[in-house]
Amino acid sequence: KAGVTQTPRYLIKTRGQQVTLSCSPISGHRSVSWYQQTPGQGLQFLFEYFSETQRNKGNFPGRFSGRQFSNSRSEMNVSTLELGDSALYLCASSLAAGEHTEAFFGQGTRLTVV
Amino acid sequence: AQSVTQLGSHVSVSEGALVLLRCNYSSSVPPYLFWYVQYPNQGLQLLLKYTSAATLVKGINDFEAEFKKSETSFHLTKPSAHMSDAAEYFCAPYMDTGRRALTFGSGTRLQVQP
Repeated sequence: KAGVTQTPRYLIKTRGQQVTLSCSPISGHRSVSWYQQTPGQGLQFLFEYFSETQRNKGNFPGRFSGRQFSNSRSEMNVSTLELGDSALYLCASSLAAGEHTEAFFGQGTRLTVV
Repeated sequence: AQSVTQLGSHVSVSEGALVLLRCNYSSSVPPYLFWYVQYPNQGLQLLLKYTSAATLVKGINDFEAEFKKSETSFHLTKPSAHMSDAAEYFCAPYMDTGRRALTFGSGTRLQVQP
């Protein structure tokens, strides 16, 4: 069974630009969560989607947004990029939303803002 | 808010030695606790999870953790370290109230010396 696929793996963008990252969950999984990982702040929760609805959101500015499609694939968008947005963005999929379900992580997209 | 503290950002052990990675959670008992491992340039992989069914939890690759309410701890152990265990380890509670998401600790980087 294929794992969680994140594309692209690496990305370089300029300040002020916007970026879209993609996440394809494991087949049959309906919940997708996004995390930002930086050396200074560690792993921080961005948001979670379940059945195309945002179920939960972390403490990030409105420049960070996401969506989920009917096939459970998810995208996250960051507008007006700042240098501090440089990070590894991780996507995790679960069968369902909730504490009992194991989250499977993709390899991440490493975003560098210059 | 519920959080975890991982004592020691870096731990170094010799191959074959006991591995002990510390995780303490704050005051209220978390409903669920997880340990994840992240290998270089990879996403996160679940090692084990505590769901109150048993205080001693066994995970993959001979890792185990014991939930001790009296000490508010959930330390990760492995009897004999392998070179392949070198990675970063994260303790994470899952809260079922408020922001329902994994809240990761700051991580402990494990080095295994030959």
